[in-house]
Amino acid sequence: AQSVSQHNHHVILSEAASLELGCNYSYGGTVNLFWYVQYPGQHLQLLLKYFSGDPLVKGIKGFEAEFIKSKFSFNLRKPSVQWSDTAEYFCAVIFTGGGNKLTFGTGTQLKVEL
Amino acid sequence: EPEVTQTPSHQVTQMGQEVILRCVPISNHLYFYWYRQILGQKVEFLVSFYNNEISEKSEIFDDQFSVERPDGSNFTLKIRSTKLEDSAMYFCASSAELAGGLDTQYFGPGTRLTVL
Repeated sequence: AQSVSQHNHHVILSEAASLELGCNYSYGGTVNLFWYVQYPGQHLQLLLKYFSGDPLVKGIKGFEAEFIKSKFSFNLRKPSVQWSDTAEYFCAVIFTGGGNKLTFGTGTQLKVEL
Repeated sequence: EPEVTQTPSHQVTQMGQEVILRCVPISNHLYFYWYRQILGQKVEFLVSFYNNEISEKSEIFDDQFSVERPDGSNFTLKIRSTKLEDSAMYFCASSAELAGGLDTQYFGPGTRLTVL
């Protein structure tokens, strides 16, 4: 079955540290890739997405992600995190040919300490 | 910026009772979705809806579940006879249609359903 994995479930960083959250999926076909964020008490918001073109995607709030097709990965990065980045981060994939449903990873809880 | 809204934010019900969860999608969107997240688990797809009919549903979406767009703005999820395992956060989402494919799905704040 097609699946999405996020290997880091809880991450704690100090402000200004660099962030990389892993996301892998199991599917050899075409995919649409997303990172969503859920700040405490708020709803899921889109951080960035990849449909086609340049595999390095820039999103809001200084986040970026790189699609590496050979590794089935779409890792999220930020060079310098802030306390306000404390949130839960979800990788999600649309596997083309499987309708338009999002398949989510388990999420990564990021805590940024001052 | 337009948002997806959901009501109620919390719903507590007794096992076996019917519940209706309501969503108002973004006004020019044509595709609507329900997802749920059981505490500690992944967000799971339930159903997608387009042109007044279900376009796709998951194994979770059995005969106890139904969806409806009763008017031009609301999109509802009904659970006919709730079970304890239906306790979860239910998210509504909507997306527009772009040439060549679909746009991003935008999510509402969720309804936390607790079945006692």
